[in-house]
Amino acid sequence: DAKTTQPNSMESNEEEPVHLPCNHSTISGTDYIHWYRQLPSQGPEYVIHGLTSNVNNRMASLAIAEDRKSSTLILHRATLRDAAVYYCILRDAGNNRKLIWGLGTSLAVNP
Amino acid sequence: SQTIHQWPATLVQPVGSPLSLECTVEGTSNPNLYWYRQAAGRGLQLLFYSVGIGQISSEVPQNLSASRPQDRQFILSSKKLLLSDSGFYLCAWSVLDLETQYFGPGTRLLVL
Repeated sequence: DAKTTQPNSMESNEEEPVHLPCNHSTISGTDYIHWYRQLPSQGPEYVIHGLTSNVNNRMASLAIAEDRKSSTLILHRATLRDAAVYYCILRDAGNNRKLIWGLGTSLAVNP
Repeated sequence: SQTIHQWPATLVQPVGSPLSLECTVEGTSNPNLYWYRQAAGRGLQLLFYSVGIGQISSEVPQNLSASRPQDRQFILSSKKLLLSDSGFYLCAWSVLDLETQYFGPGTRLLVL
């Protein structure tokens, strides 16, 4: 299973953009890149996913490197409610229901 | 809209006691269902998944079991809890394998 590497923690100020990096150098051509976040004492929440092209939704943007070996989740204007652990996960487009959850990046947002 | 319920929210059980955690999904049919466990400060570990009634796949050998008696009901059980079973148990559903997984509020289990 392809794995991901993320920084343990990051810090941001409210109203500023946040760029959360993820390395996945062993990604295969059929792996989708998914991002989830987990607020304290809650279940994870889907944020965004992509395969090759950059993606935007109401929560965030996902920038995927041309070689697909890394990606960046972009929160355009951080709010205090964005403080959470952010997980970058690869999902095989084949028959793989097993998600490999790492430790994610703990994002702190300063007022 | 779809909703997922888990109960209880918290549970304190003695070592050796049985366990039954229930998860139900509303607003969708024939979902894929998942049980995860998250130890303190760790990522999520997939325990079981189910693609239909009575169909259970186990990902990790352990003293836990899962059952799916109805389309939208998923139960996690144990006959005898161990200290190492403590953790945050999360149920999730998805429509297809590649689709987003939606998580319930979780059950925090403490085995003493």
